[in-house]
Parts: sequence; C-alpha cells; structure tokens
Amino acid sequence: DAGVTQSPTHLIKTRGQQVTLRCSPISGHKSVSWYQQVLGQGPQFIFQYYEKEERGRGNFPDRFSARQFPNYSSELNVNALLLGDSALYLCASSLRQNTGELFFGEGSRLTVL
Amino acid sequence: AQTVTQSQPEMSVQEAETVTLSCTYDTSESDYYLFWYKQPPSRQMILVIRQEAYKQQNATENRFSVNFQKAAKSFSLKISDSQLGDAAMYFCAYRSATPSGATNKLVFGAGTILRVKS
Repeated sequence: DAGVTQSPTHLIKTRGQQVTLRCSPISGHKSVSWYQQVLGQGPQFIFQYYEKEERGRGNFPDRFSARQFPNYSSELNVNALLLGDSALYLCASSLRQNTGELFFGEGSRLTVL
Repeated sequence: AQTVTQSQPEMSVQEAETVTLSCTYDTSESDYYLFWYKQPPSRQMILVIRQEAYKQQNATENRFSVNFQKAAKSFSLKISDSQLGDAAMYFCAYRSATPSGATNKLVFGAGTILRVKS
C-alpha cells in the first residue's frame, strides 16, 4: 500500500508569490495534518483536517490556508510568500481525528527567494 | 501551552555501543502521550516508540527503550547496540490525550542529531 504522498518534492518561489502543496493520505485515513519544519528546528503544527472540516489550527498567519477534499486528499496554500516561509512542509495522515499513529510523508521543500 | 525541550543538539556513539537522548517537557495535563520520532536524510518522519502517560512501565521496541519519569517530566530514549542505520535526527514529541482534545496535534522538540561512528 502507498504511504503518504506529497507533491511537489521541491519548489522555488519568489517573495509575494503564492504556493499550493498537495498531500494524499494513506488509503482509509480520514485525517490530514500539516506541519512546517524550518531548517534546524522541530516541526510546527499548522492545520488538522478531519472529514473535510478544519479541526485544529496552529499559530500561523491567515496567509496560510488549507482544505480537504471528498477523497481525503488535502492542499495547503500559502499566499504572499515571505523569506521566512522557506521550510520543509510535512503532511501526516491518521485513521481518526484524535487517536492513532500519525504517518508522515517525505515533505515538500519550499525555498522562497 | 505544552513545550518540549531537547537539550542535546548533537550526540555521537560508536557502533554497537549504547546512547541516551534526553527530553524534558512541560504540561499541566495528566493524560498525554510521548513519542520519539526518527528523521533520516530522506526526510520522512518515522515513529520509533511511544509511551502513554498513564502507564508506569517504560516502553521498549527491540533495541529502543525509554526512561519515563512522569514527576520529573523527563522522557529519554536509549538506543542499544547502535547501528549505522540509526544515524538520523531524533525528535521528542508530546500529544494531549484529554477528552476535550479535538486534534492529534504533536508538539515537537528541536531535535538531536545522532551520529554513529564505525
């Protein structure tokens, strides 16, 4: 079975642009979470979606948004990119909303110039 | 808010030897989970071991074991018989288990780079 898949794996943007990152959870998993991992730091929670509804939001500005589709895949959007948005963006899926193991993808490496 | 602290930015161990990675956390909750994750250069975060706070017995998974001290809010990871494949970044993480908790949000420490020498 396929694990959590994310696309693209790498991308480069310039300040002020917008980016969309995509995540496909493990088959049967209904929860998707997004984390931002700045180089040299631990991942920081951005969002969790379960059954297509936002269930949790971390301390990130409104430039960050996300959604979950009927097939449980998810997109993370970041508008008006700043240099500080350069990071590895990790997606994690789980069977349920607040229990069970999180399974992580390999991440999308975003560089903002 | 909960916080997780890993005070060792980097550790080294000789192959086949034992190493212990430290983690402390701060929380006012009584029910929670603690995790150790491994992140190799491939970037994919892999669960190494988990501990439920209500369990007094320390979790073990093959060569990996934890020393969970709830009163001291300490959660260290011991890796025995270290192998070259153990080299990676290791993260300690916390998750609330309170009934009101509506998410599976993880709070991570800053990580410890583990180098294994042959």
